[in-house]
Amino acid sequence: DGGITQSPKYLFRKEGQNVTLSCEQNLNHDAMYWYRQDPGQGLRLIYYSQIVNDFQKGDIAEGYSVSREKKESFPLTVTSAQKNPTAFYLCASSIPMRTNEKLFFGSGTQLSVL
Amino acid sequence: AQSVSQHNHHVILSEAASLELGCNYSYGGTVNLFWYVQYPGQHLQLLLKYFSGDPLVKGIKGFEAEFIKSKFSFNLRKPSVQWSDTAEYFCAVKKGSNTGKLIFGQGTTLQVKP
Repeated sequence: DGGITQSPKYLFRKEGQNVTLSCEQNLNHDAMYWYRQDPGQGLRLIYYSQIVNDFQKGDIAEGYSVSREKKESFPLTVTSAQKNPTAFYLCASSIPMRTNEKLFFGSGTQLSVL
Repeated sequence: AQSVSQHNHHVILSEAASLELGCNYSYGGTVNLFWYVQYPGQHLQLLLKYFSGDPLVKGIKGFEAEFIKSKFSFNLRKPSVQWSDTAEYFCAVKKGSNTGKLIFGQGTTLQVKP
């Protein structure tokens, strides 16, 4: 089945630790995105990538880093600089055609701080 | 900064009641508008979208939304809700000339009582 796979489903981070969230898609989509979902705040864009080896900061990129070495993969690292990392993280992908853009979402990763 | 505002955070309705969820955005240029839905335990998925043409758009499961440019609004409606419509609903806006960067509203939790 085609889709977006996020792993792990639950992740715990210790103080000062970097953690990496995985996102893999087999939809052959060029664009991939990371959103953070907090209660009452909706989804906020962290980073997005329109093409391999290129990515842009979203609205809340501080304390996060990404890479896009392969079309299928867009891992997100939550660094120790992110002071409030507890949230639900959603990865998405799309074919960025202006007239028919639709995001496909993964099932998410819940990150908590120990 | 561009923003998307959903007026209702939590809505409780009985089955067969009519639904209208408000969505307003602040960007003044050409926009593409979306409603996404997240059913309990499922991925976020597209409900409907507006790119151009008829401002009244119809989506899946009997939902529709009307784009009123003068009011910067894209309200979601359904004449008669069902228990299975219980979900979280997100309005999202993308600038017409900027591929990829979707701005989401805070979300509205709809609870339909059988």
